[in-house]
Amino acid sequence: GAGVSQSPRYKVAKRGQDVALRCDPISGHVSLFWYQQALGQGPEFLTYFQNEAQLDKSGLPSDRFFAERPEGSVSTLKIQRTQQEDSAVYLCASSSGLAGGTHTSTDTQYFGPGTRLTVL
Amino acid sequence: AQSVTQPDIHITVSEGASLELRCNYSYGATPYLFWYVQSPGQGLQLLLKYFSGDTLVQGIKGFEAEFKRSQSSFNLRKPSVHWSDAAEYFCAVVVSAGKSTFGDGTTLTVKP
Repeated sequence: GAGVSQSPRYKVAKRGQDVALRCDPISGHVSLFWYQQALGQGPEFLTYFQNEAQLDKSGLPSDRFFAERPEGSVSTLKIQRTQQEDSAVYLCASSSGLAGGTHTSTDTQYFGPGTRLTVL
Repeated sequence: AQSVTQPDIHITVSEGASLELRCNYSYGATPYLFWYVQSPGQGLQLLLKYFSGDTLVQGIKGFEAEFKRSQSSFNLRKPSVHWSDAAEYFCAVVVSAGKSTFGDGTTLTVKP
């Protein structure tokens, strides 16, 4: 069906507030990725899931960042006690492949439009 | 650690002219290389990818890229640019299980 969708598209938060960003991947896609894209820079890897399992969270910048995908489809990226440096576009991507080996490395990742987070 | 460098922050070309966007990577083994395009307000769209075989790969929208191991490069080319090609272009390398490292992008402006 449709591509990857993300909501909200825009979020303004006051410093210290918690936010939750949602990603709906392409139906049936096993792998799901979160990236952070600061202004004028390329996306930076945050974390990825194979189904409901979070297999790599090495890119999460601090323990204020938390991601989940409890049923292996929709994913939520939560940021607690937001700081100004968290302002960025958060991109979600999904791919059909399985984690591990070379299969996922060559799979096409389909990106959502992103959520632009502004922390005041 | 792997890294990707896109030396040109901004490029301007005339419509109909040829285009080459540069990408250099740093990675010990054979990398998996990708080029994406991002239009304002849109997600990244894959143009093409390389992981083995012929070093000249064809992509969508008339783009192609050539992998040169000796130069650690994966430059993107198009023989004739259209106004609709104006966008930001990102080169990326994947080293493990889909975890991508991106360059900082090149913004393409097309003059009429």
